[in-house]
Amino acid sequence: QQQVKQSPQSLIVQKGGISIINCAYENTAFDYFPWYQQFPGKGPALLIAIRPDVSEKKEGRFTISFNKSAKQFSLHIMDSQPGDSATYFCAASGGFGNEKLTFGTGTRLTIIP
Amino acid sequence: DAGITQSPRHKVTETGTPVTLRCHQTENHRYMYWYRQDPGHGLRLIHYSYGVKDTDKGEVSDGYSVSRSKTEDFLLTLESATSSQTSVYFCAISGVARTEAFFGQGTRLTVV
Repeated sequence: QQQVKQSPQSLIVQKGGISIINCAYENTAFDYFPWYQQFPGKGPALLIAIRPDVSEKKEGRFTISFNKSAKQFSLHIMDSQPGDSATYFCAASGGFGNEKLTFGTGTRLTIIP
Repeated sequence: DAGITQSPRHKVTETGTPVTLRCHQTENHRYMYWYRQDPGHGLRLIHYSYGVKDTDKGEVSDGYSVSRSKTEDFLLTLESATSSQTSVYFCAISGVARTEAFFGQGTRLTVV
């Protein structure tokens, strides 16, 4: 059961461009939506997270847009740089007694010069 | 970096043998998780713990068991390893529910 659907599976963006990764969820009890970044050979690390009381959160070049009615959220990377090349995972958790994170399937992002 | 150590980092084992992976934390965090990562599937939760001796199943728990006898240690056991359990296994910890989870470096397990 895939409760968090992520797209695209892979993405190639030119340096300086905007990278956009989308996620959709099914469980309306989810109330915490983080994005994780993973470099090869490393564990995932938290990049940015949002809760459903706001529609957007920005940290530097990274922005989460959240649409509660559509049950969708997305990650925007502005001015994409080669160092942003990594795999990105969206995730969600929430609901009574639900402390565990459910992850999307990941997006491999490549920034080309 | 959060104090999480996974051991071993790499292991090759034969089908049918038991295997135990260890996750050790020095953060005194309440929650500990075991995930497996496979191409096309992302990170899937195997088991998690919300306290000493308190554990629960995730979405892919068949063939796996866990134990947590101390706050700092969370063990994952493959009771009889199969080739389908070849994967990269990640341990994660968090202090409070629905806040940042910190991941270990992973254990690459190959079952031949």
